[in-house]
Order: sequence, then C-alpha cells, then structure tokens
Amino acid sequence: DGGITQSPKYLFRKEGQNVTLSCEQNLNHDAMYWYRQDPGQGLRLIYYSQIVNDFQKGDIAEGYSVSREKKESFPLTVTSAQKNPTAFYLCASTQNTGELFFGEGSRLTVL
Amino acid sequence: AQSVTQPDIHITVSEGASLELRCNYSYGATPYLFWYVQSPGQGLQLLLKYFSGDTLVQGIKGFEAEFKRSQSSFNLRKPSVHWSDAAEYFCAVGSTGRRALTFGSGTRLQVQP
Repeated sequence: DGGITQSPKYLFRKEGQNVTLSCEQNLNHDAMYWYRQDPGQGLRLIYYSQIVNDFQKGDIAEGYSVSREKKESFPLTVTSAQKNPTAFYLCASTQNTGELFFGEGSRLTVL
Repeated sequence: AQSVTQPDIHITVSEGASLELRCNYSYGATPYLFWYVQSPGQGLQLLLKYFSGDTLVQGIKGFEAEFKRSQSSFNLRKPSVHWSDAAEYFCAVGSTGRRALTFGSGTRLQVQP
C-alpha cells in the first residue's frame, strides 16, 4: 500500500543535540512538507519542497533544516538552535492537487 | 496572507445529536478548502475538500460541508454523531501559488453517551 512513513514515532533529545526525523513516501508525489503541531495552535509549516533538490522555508523554519536529495525522502533535522523543539511533527505530501496526505507523526521530547 | 479561524476550541455533543463545526477563512481569491480529522497521536485524515463547483460537498463518514463565499465560511456538519467521531478536527485553506495548506487551530470534539 502507498503511503508516508515517519520514523521514529517517539524520540527523546538532550538539550544541545541535533536530531533527524525521517519521512519517506512511495506515492510518487512531487511535493513534500513538514508541519509542527503544538496543543491549541494547529499545524504550522516548517519547510516544504516542490521538487528534488529544492526546498523553501515555511512560517517557522528557524532552528530546522531539511534536504531533498531523492523524490521519496524529505528528512527534517531539528538543530540545537531550535529553542523549544518539544512537539509533534507531521510530514505530508501531495501531487499538486492541493490535498495533503499525512504520515503518522513523530513526537519529539527534549529532556 | 491566507488564514483560518476555528472559533470553537472544544465542543461536546451527545451521541445521535447533530454537529456543526465552524470555519472562517481569509483569502483573496477562490480558495481550496479542506477538513481533516485527527485521532490522538495520529496523523491527519482528509474528510472532504472543496475546489470549485457545487458549494455543498460530501465527505467520508457521513460528513458534509458548505462553502459560503459571502460569509467566508466552510462549516462542517453531520446529522447524527457517533461516539467514534470524537477527535480533533482541522479546517485548512490552500492556494495554487504556495501549494502549502494553512490550518486552523482545531476543534476538539467530545461525544457523550
């Protein structure tokens, strides 16, 4: 079955460490997205990529980095510069229809 | 800039009662509008979408929504709520330019037996 796989589902990080969240899709979608979800704030866009080797900052890109070396993969790195990284992170993709398909999410907790 | 407002943070309804979740958007042109549902700790699932045409759209699980341009609204409705509908619901607006959806802050639905 086609879909989006995010890993790990749960991740713990010590302050000052970088961590990378994986997002893989086998839907053959061109565009991929990373959203951050905090209670009561809905989903906020971190980064998005409409094509391989190209990506754009979203509304809250500071402290995050991404790469898009393959169509299927869009990993997100949460760097030590992100002051409040504890959140639920959602990866999504679309084939230019506007409808987003989401992964199951990764919950990052800073110890 | 586009934006979405969901004025109700939390709604409680009795099982079998009707439901309406409100969504207002701000966008200059004709928007693409979506409703998603999220169970705790899970990703989002699409309930329905509006791109153009008939302003009353049907979705999965018995949900429907009506696009009202004059009110900049896209309210979600269900005639009879089931206990399994308890979840968080998100309204979202999109455009052809950015190709990234803007989400509202969500409405948490609780269903009483």
